[in-house]
Amino acid sequence: GEDVEQSLFLSVREGDSSVINCTYTDSSSTYLYWYKQEPGAGLQLLTYIFSNMDMKQDQRLTVLLNKKDKHLSLRIADTQTGDSAIYFCAESLRREYGNKLVFGAGTILRVKS
Amino acid sequence: DGGITQSPKYLFRKEGQNVTLSCEQNLNHDAMYWYRQDPGQGLRLIYYSQIVNDFQKGDIAEGYSVSREKKESFPLTVTSAQKNPTAFYLCASSHSGNTEAFFGQGTRLTVV
Repeated sequence: GEDVEQSLFLSVREGDSSVINCTYTDSSSTYLYWYKQEPGAGLQLLTYIFSNMDMKQDQRLTVLLNKKDKHLSLRIADTQTGDSAIYFCAESLRREYGNKLVFGAGTILRVKS
Repeated sequence: DGGITQSPKYLFRKEGQNVTLSCEQNLNHDAMYWYRQDPGQGLRLIYYSQIVNDFQKGDIAEGYSVSREKKESFPLTVTSAQKNPTAFYLCASSHSGNTEAFFGQGTRLTVV
């Protein structure tokens, strides 16, 4: 299948860490992505990880990939109010006609000051 | 500046009308995508195209049509056959292969 699932909502206090989780079903995915969407806007790529990696760190962002369990997580350290947004997990799947991006439903992150 | 541009930002359509949403990119990307976003459902793929003059149906293509006559442009037509067209439409592009996709700012379509 091509399902990507995420929890719908996360609320944290400013300065705490946020962890957003994602599970996927298609083991043929080669890249996995995290996108951020602010209200009324398009999606902005935050970070991505290649499927043969376990972890990737980029400033306040840490991505963990457990390929055996098909589980991906995004940790945001020192979460700020500007991090409030919807976060989408996505996987890139090779198909006969090219690459297909499949997205989860998105996790709404609310940061309380 | 390189980027991907969608227009218009807001679009109103009467029932029974066809409307066309524009998507243009100057990133020299081969692949282009159209997604529909509804609250609580994330992004669903409507159509995608990996090369000029070729495109494939996504998961919810019924009631939509596309063309890819130029590399830079991938317009989406929402036809009267689409039963529930009110949504936020996002266009994206990427290089071929498993690389990041860049998104436009979206078009919000409302049927009145």
